[in-house]
Amino acid sequence: SQQGEEDPQALSIQEGENATMNCSYKTSINNLQWYRQNSGRGLVHLILIRSNEREKHSGRLRVTLDTSKKSSSLLITASRAADTASYFCATGRIDSGYALNFGKGTSLLVTP
Amino acid sequence: GAVVSQHPSWVICKSGTSVKIECRSLDFQATTMFWYRQFPKQSLMLMATSNEGSKATYEQGVEKDKFLINHASLTLSTLTVTSAHPEDSSFYICSASYGAGLNQPQHFGDGTRLSIL
Repeated sequence: SQQGEEDPQALSIQEGENATMNCSYKTSINNLQWYRQNSGRGLVHLILIRSNEREKHSGRLRVTLDTSKKSSSLLITASRAADTASYFCATGRIDSGYALNFGKGTSLLVTP
Repeated sequence: GAVVSQHPSWVICKSGTSVKIECRSLDFQATTMFWYRQFPKQSLMLMATSNEGSKATYEQGVEKDKFLINHASLTLSTLTVTSAHPEDSSFYICSASYGAGLNQPQHFGDGTRLSIL
């Protein structure tokens, strides 16, 4: 079953602007992960944030986690056309060898 | 490091054909691999967990006899879609975790687009 729900479902911005995507989940987690998927391709792992962490950075990416609200956000700063992709949050399922439950994803379009 | 290769990337075949998809961990050993299915503009849905040397664990609603999974070695899992029909057309993606423990990212293959005519 799907665990996460992202919003917005679609986001269109111009190069140089920041993009913020949100994710909510339902059950307790050990970590939350963000992935990126270019059209017709597999997923690329972006960042993993553990349940005892509140914020994590990686390059132009900033992820926050609020376990009290069961929500996370992904911020991409100074976006580029190459950031155009779908972004998914995912949480681990302990009952199936740590398979992932994915949210519905946010489709990001960055125009030059 | 931690590369997962999936083959083939695209398959078009007639209804009734069986199709095998391979998922390989190229530079690490994976005792567990995962198979997901993705419909257009939708999220990934877990189909099954593939365990090396033992039977796969299927998600509720996934037909075991339709989607045969074999994980014969620590670097290879295969998904065979048997007697495929147009409704089986989809994007199939495999993944594996590098390293042990809960807090590990998964590494994905590039997916296989299956089109059944």
